Amino acid sequence: DVKVTQSSRYLVKRTGEKVFLECVQDMDHENMFWYRQDPGLGLRLIYFSYDVKMKEKGDIPEGYSVSREKKERFSLILESASTNQTSMYLCASSLPTAVNNEQFFGPGTRLTVL
Amino acid sequence: AQSVSQHNHHVILSEAASLELGCNYSYGGTVNLFWYVQYPGQHLQLLLKYFSGDPLVKGIKGFEAEFIKSKFSFNLRKPSVQWSDTAEYFCAVMRQTGANNLFFGTGTRLTVIP
Repeated sequence: DVKVTQSSRYLVKRTGEKVFLECVQDMDHENMFWYRQDPGLGLRLIYFSYDVKMKEKGDIPEGYSVSREKKERFSLILESASTNQTSMYLCASSLPTAVNNEQFFGPGTRLTVL
Repeated sequence: AQSVSQHNHHVILSEAASLELGCNYSYGGTVNLFWYVQYPGQHLQLLLKYFSGDPLVKGIKGFEAEFIKSKFSFNLRKPSVQWSDTAEYFCAVMRQTGANNLFFGTGTRLTVIP
């Protein structure tokens, strides 16, 4: 079974703090993704990565950055957390094929910025 | 721009009622289509997917979905819901060319009353 793990289920930070969210997958997937999930808005893609050290902006990259130093690990960084970044953050991974491609999700990190 | 519409935001049904959740997308090319489910307190998991072939796709737990290309739709159905189907349901679309990104709808919350 594919397993995607996220470092924290719940996180509380203060405005202006630097926040790291970690995601690890154990299936040697090339693709990794970070989403945020907000009520009434569904999931929105923040950043994704097709390979080590590669990253692409998603739909809402502002205020975020990412790091992919190893294939199995994809980190989301909030350089200076703000209250509007309070959300549920979901990590996902997938194989690189365009067809028959399913994303596997982690349990999510619920981040509260005070 | 790619968009996915789920017109039902919250659906309330009694057990044994039939379910149909609508999903429409805007992209005109070849797509892969997905329905994901998120049970309360759990992570997002795949319910069913369509890549090619028979447009009627069967998934887990008695769910099915029909891809109607002319209507750009991929509606989810279940003939008889159970209390355990209470969850949030997300439709997602991936283009078969270009980036392997999923575009999600805003989700439909299903409440099944025993």
